[in-house]
Amino acid sequence: AQSVTQPDIHITVSEGASLELRCNYSYGATPYLFWYVQSPGQGLQLLLKYFSGDTLVQGIKGFEAEFKRSQSSFNLRKPSVHWSDAAEYFCAVGVWSFQKLVFGTGTRLLVSP
Amino acid sequence: KAGVTQTPRYLIKTRGQQVTLSCSPISGHRSVSWYQQTPGQGLQFLFEYFSETQRNKGNFPGRFSGRQFSNSRSEMNVSTLELGDSALYLCASSLQGINANTEAFFGQGTRLTVV
Repeated sequence: AQSVTQPDIHITVSEGASLELRCNYSYGATPYLFWYVQSPGQGLQLLLKYFSGDTLVQGIKGFEAEFKRSQSSFNLRKPSVHWSDAAEYFCAVGVWSFQKLVFGTGTRLLVSP
Repeated sequence: KAGVTQTPRYLIKTRGQQVTLSCSPISGHRSVSWYQQTPGQGLQFLFEYFSETQRNKGNFPGRFSGRQFSNSRSEMNVSTLELGDSALYLCASSLQGINANTEAFFGQGTRLTVV
């Protein structure tokens, strides 16, 4: 069965420091991978996606993610975090055969001054 | 270009009642999916519609149902509400669903509280 693991429930980063959020997936075929961000009480905003091709993908707000097939990982990175990045981040795999997204449990990012 | 619109944003219902939530997708998008988000279970897939046909359904009881209209707008209905149905219900629209050429855009959600 398809699954996504985000091992870190909470992460605290100082403003200006770099960030890496981990995501591991389990999926039998070539995965469609996504990172979404959610601010409190809001919907999900797409940060970036990976379908195929270049394994390093660029997204909005200065985020990037690297797909590593050998490690079944799709980690999200940002070189310098801003206070406005504080939110919850979800990694998801798109399951074509069931027309659904399978989400990880999310990582809540806290940004300290 | 307008985004995905969900109405209402907030709802309070009593146990045993039923509720209907609405989702208007991005213009031109024909696929609409629904997800339930709770603190305990996270984000879970409810169902997906494409051109008025339900293509897939998640592992939810029959009290949860939905439909899609010819203009791609979608509604979901929950009958005989239970306390555990309290959640944020999110709608996502995409051109054709999950494939290599598209992505899903989410609405702001409807916060349902069952008392």
